Amino acid sequence: EADIYQTPRYLVIGTGKKITLECSQTMGHDKMYWYQQDPGMELHLIHYSYGVNSTEKGDLSSESTVSRIRTEHFPLTLESARPSHTSQYLCASRALDSPEQYFGPGTRLTVT
Amino acid sequence: DAKTTQPPSMDCAEGRAANLPCNHSTISGNEYVYWYRQIHSQGPQYIIHGLKNNETNEMASLIITEDRKSSTLILPHATLRDTAVYYCIVRSSSNTGKLIFGQGTTLQVKP
Repeated sequence: EADIYQTPRYLVIGTGKKITLECSQTMGHDKMYWYQQDPGMELHLIHYSYGVNSTEKGDLSSESTVSRIRTEHFPLTLESARPSHTSQYLCASRALDSPEQYFGPGTRLTVT
Repeated sequence: DAKTTQPPSMDCAEGRAANLPCNHSTISGNEYVYWYRQIHSQGPQYIIHGLKNNETNEMASLIITEDRKSSTLILPHATLRDTAVYYCIVRSSSNTGKLIFGQGTTLQVKP
């Protein structure tokens, strides 16, 4: 069982609100990732981090931002939510020399 | 990273072996083949990976052709809980660890 957590699991919020999706892992992994997945579609990488104070944009352009102040924590923020941000957001982590990415349960975001 | 091609869907009878194919004809010498699965919109789960030798673990077996242009994931005794979307991903060991997910194969295990 992977020790990677995401909160909230479900969020319904109005347009224009600022939101932060939390992701934390207790495995001491250096590498962390955020993916976005629309229903029935493939996952797209939107952000990743090699370690503390390291963040990079992924393959899919996203209006969200991330931070990595602590190894175990990789929150994602939307400054002003819009209906186009409605999606599932999945966080993952990986140890430096491991082939396996561990995924969290995801946050299902709905912006009305 | 090399592109992969998988059939969009497959059915398998419960208790039988499920053989999921993947084509990766443009794979490079240092690229690994990874398999993940995603059960009903949960986070994806790692299954197995390999470079050129066949691999087996408690979940599945991975058979890679000698020219490495295709591979097959084998679930030896499929159960209803194996119903999921299965992703074949090719990734270099030297990149950031990014996984590029395609559409995958939806495996339906039927009683």
